Amino acid sequence: VIWMTQSPSLLSASTGDRVTISCRMSQGISSYLAWYQQKPGKAPELLIYAASTLQSGVPSRFSGSGSGTDFTLTISCLQSEDFATYYCQQYYSFPRTFGQGTKVEIK
Amino acid sequence: EVQLVESGGGLVQPGGSLRLSCAASGFTFSSYEMNWVRQAPGKGLEWVSYISSSGSTIYYADSVKGRFTISRDNAKNSLYLQMNSLRAEDTAVYYCASNVLWGQGTLVTVSS
Repeated sequence: VIWMTQSPSLLSASTGDRVTISCRMSQGISSYLAWYQQKPGKAPELLIYAASTLQSGVPSRFSGSGSGTDFTLTISCLQSEDFATYYCQQYYSFPRTFGQGTKVEIK
Repeated sequence: EVQLVESGGGLVQPGGSLRLSCAASGFTFSSYEMNWVRQAPGKGLEWVSYISSSGSTIYYADSVKGRFTISRDNAKNSLYLQMNSLRAEDTAVYYCASNVLWGQGTLVTVSS
């Protein structure tokens, strides 16, 4: 099983801020990592796959980086619609695993 | 419209069974690997099961292995999850998901 440590669990920020969320794996997964955004009462939506490829329709203020064991999701200029919970997920091996989630809240 | 629509959730007693369905539309369902993912109330996401596009390869989370069965009918553009021996800890919103698209989820509540 690949364990994932996502941090922070809670991030307080203001509109316009640059925010960074980290995801660390217990073993290397190459670039088999996705990032999802979930708003209350809604299904998760794919933001980034293959660690750094932006899903079609996702704003360019979102970016992903990393490979192996350490990955980062960056939102360059936080907008009001970005306040949500973010999850990383590895799809390198089974069982698939998710990070614990990072809630981005208004400061 | 490209979408996944789950159904079949509801209230069931511990030890009971439930069958979830997921109807796909707007894309070539038979070309896509599919998963079931669940989310307990107020908790994070938990992967449950995977099935390959042809149905020949299947994986389960340890927490459901031996109790849940995933299947698909590509002719009907449908994905299924048969859930037996349900426990209180199986209470969650269950999502069907491809690599890029998720359904809206269906709530399963296991309680006496």
